[in-house]
Amino acid sequence: RKEVEQDPGPFNVPEGATVAFNCTYSNSASQSFFWYRQDCRKEPKLLMSVYSSGNEDGRFTAQLNRASQYISLLIRDSKLSDSATYLCVVSPRGGKLIFGQGTELSVKP
Amino acid sequence: IAGITQAPTSQILAAGRRMTLRCTQDMRHNAMYWYRQDLGLGLRLIHYSNTAGTTGKGEVPDGYSVSRANTDDFPLTLASAVPSQTSVYFCASSEDKNNEQFFGPGTRLTVL
Repeated sequence: RKEVEQDPGPFNVPEGATVAFNCTYSNSASQSFFWYRQDCRKEPKLLMSVYSSGNEDGRFTAQLNRASQYISLLIRDSKLSDSATYLCVVSPRGGKLIFGQGTELSVKP
Repeated sequence: IAGITQAPTSQILAAGRRMTLRCTQDMRHNAMYWYRQDLGLGLRLIHYSNTAGTTGKGEVPDGYSVSRANTDDFPLTLASAVPSQTSVYFCASSEDKNNEQFFGPGTRLTVL
């Protein structure tokens, strides 16, 4: 079983749609959680950290369920510019990041 | 401020040749990392350094070596390249080992 698992997609959605990505992790001792965004052939960039209480940044909402070892990312009112690959990232003790293979999102006009 | 730079941008290399990928950051970050990214496998950690003068092995260290002589530079060396090392290589840095990681633009390496 992979340490971090994501549905690879692709998710094809129209502009304005709401889309949700899910991610599960296997190491119950994991301490930090993130969503990164990666555009085609570019470097990953931090989208948002994920906190136990859940957090929101504009159209983006991240949730963490430690009991189920599950992380989610919700994007509301999708824009064309949201098209990218979204990487679920988990950090066990020690600071190393474990990346999921990513979920591809394509937002169409 | 450049952030993190990597060189070269891309390289085609004959198998058996030695190659050093360069990574430099100007943010005075303590921790630095090397990842490779392959289709269907995501990003995998090759080596890391929590502070200048120290290095550690990641998930896929075989065939690679690193050094961290100073804070800014973290070169990755392939002593004798093999075709399975064809990949996109990303360098990253963070203020310390528990903080957000910032990535360089990547090096696309092809080993023939």
